[in-house]
Amino acid sequence: DAGVTQSPTHLIKTRGQHVTLRCSPISGHKSVSWYQQVLGQGPQFIFQYYEKEERGRGNFPDRFSARQFPNYSSELNVNALLLGDSALYLCASSLVGQGAYEQYFGPGTRLTVT
Amino acid sequence: GIQVEQSPPDLILQEGANSTLRCNFSDSVNNLQWFHQNPWGQLINLFYIPSGTKQNGRLSATTVATERYSLLYISSSQTTDSGVYFCAVVGSGYSTLTFGKGTMLLVSP
Repeated sequence: DAGVTQSPTHLIKTRGQHVTLRCSPISGHKSVSWYQQVLGQGPQFIFQYYEKEERGRGNFPDRFSARQFPNYSSELNVNALLLGDSALYLCASSLVGQGAYEQYFGPGTRLTVT
Repeated sequence: GIQVEQSPPDLILQEGANSTLRCNFSDSVNNLQWFHQNPWGQLINLFYIPSGTKQNGRLSATTVATERYSLLYISSSQTTDSGVYFCAVVGSGYSTLTFGKGTMLLVSP
C-alpha cells in the first residue's frame, strides 16, 4: 500500500505570493495533520483535520489555512509569503483524529521563499 | 503545553558502537513515537511506544510513563543510522504530536 504522498516535492516562491501544498493520506486513514519544520528544529504543528473538520490549530497566523476533502486528502494554503515561511512542510495521517493513534508522515514539501 | 526534551543534542559514534538516546516529557501522554529523519527530510517511524518495551532488530525502545521518559537504544551502529532522531508525544487530552529538538547522530566508518 502507498504511504502518505505530498506534492510538490520542492517549490520556490517570491515574497508576497501564495502557495498551495497537497497531501494524500494512507488509504483508510481519515485524519490529516500539517507540520512546519524549519532548519535545525523539530516539526511544529499547524493544523489537524478529521472527517473534513478542523480539529486543532497551532500557533500560526491567519495567512495559513487548510481544508480536507471528501476523499480525505488535504491542502495547506499560505498567503502573502514571508521569507520566514521557508521550511519543510510535512503532512501526517492517522486512522482517526484521536491522539493515541500512530501517525505516519509523508516525504514533505520543501518551500523556499526568496 | 507539554514539553519534550531530548538528550544528547549531538552524538558521534564509531561504527559498531552502542548508544542510548533519551526523551523526557513534562506531562502524561497517550502517544509516544520515535522517528528517524533521513537526509532528505523523510520522517521514518521507528516505534510507537506510549509505554513498555519494544525491539526491532538492532533498535529497541523503552518508555516509563510513570517517570515521564523514554529511551531509544541503538546497538552495533552502522553508517546508515546517521541522521536526526526525534521523540514526539501527544499529551493526554490532546491529539497532535509535540516534538523534541532531536538528537543528531553521526556514525563514522
